[in-house]
Amino acid sequence: NAGVTQTPKFRVLKTGQSMTLLCAQDMNHEYMYWYRQDPGMGLRLIHYSVGEGTTAKGEVPDGYNVSRLKKQNFLLGLESAAPSQTSVYFCASSYSQYSPAGYTFGSGTRLTVV
Amino acid sequence: ILNVEQSPQSLHVQEGDSTNFTCSFPSSNFYALHWYRWETAKSPEALFVMTLNGDEKKKGRISATLNTKEGYSYLYIKGSQPEDSATYLCALGTNAGKSTFGDGTTLTVKP
Repeated sequence: NAGVTQTPKFRVLKTGQSMTLLCAQDMNHEYMYWYRQDPGMGLRLIHYSVGEGTTAKGEVPDGYNVSRLKKQNFLLGLESAAPSQTSVYFCASSYSQYSPAGYTFGSGTRLTVV
Repeated sequence: ILNVEQSPQSLHVQEGDSTNFTCSFPSSNFYALHWYRWETAKSPEALFVMTLNGDEKKKGRISATLNTKEGYSYLYIKGSQPEDSATYLCALGTNAGKSTFGDGTTLTVKP
């Protein structure tokens, strides 16, 4: 059982380039989330989805877009990368907000924008 | 944006000491309270999810309590061990289907 898989694990982008981060879960979870983690700032929610075909903005959505075309996949896109988007990105999924299992996190993607 | 506060920011204890951390949140927005353990270079792992005022959860030497009326949760570690060294995150779940995380308490247990 793979859980939550993020690809790629590392990436270096030049300012202005675009890329897509992929999150895949095999637990049939309804909810999926993208967070970014910066030093001293904890986890901040970028976008999230409460089911296939739905997306919603989190705390820091600017500069990012997402899609949830299939229940198991949640894609995070950067259309024009900026140095301020250098961060570690975590995807997470859950069955529900009440689930005793809480969120299951991926292993993270370390992105550097130069 | 909900304000979820954790204290202290960091904590250094000796092996065998017992310790506790606090997570404070707006009581009017409560839906669920999560605690996670986050080791360096790994992903956060869920410890507890609590939903009812007065909830108490326990897993080995780690336990947590919840007071939704006053908006706080405590995480306790009894007899800390070096392998307990990690950052402990709390997160407030809302009925919008998302959670807001605190900045965490980083625990270092010295042998």
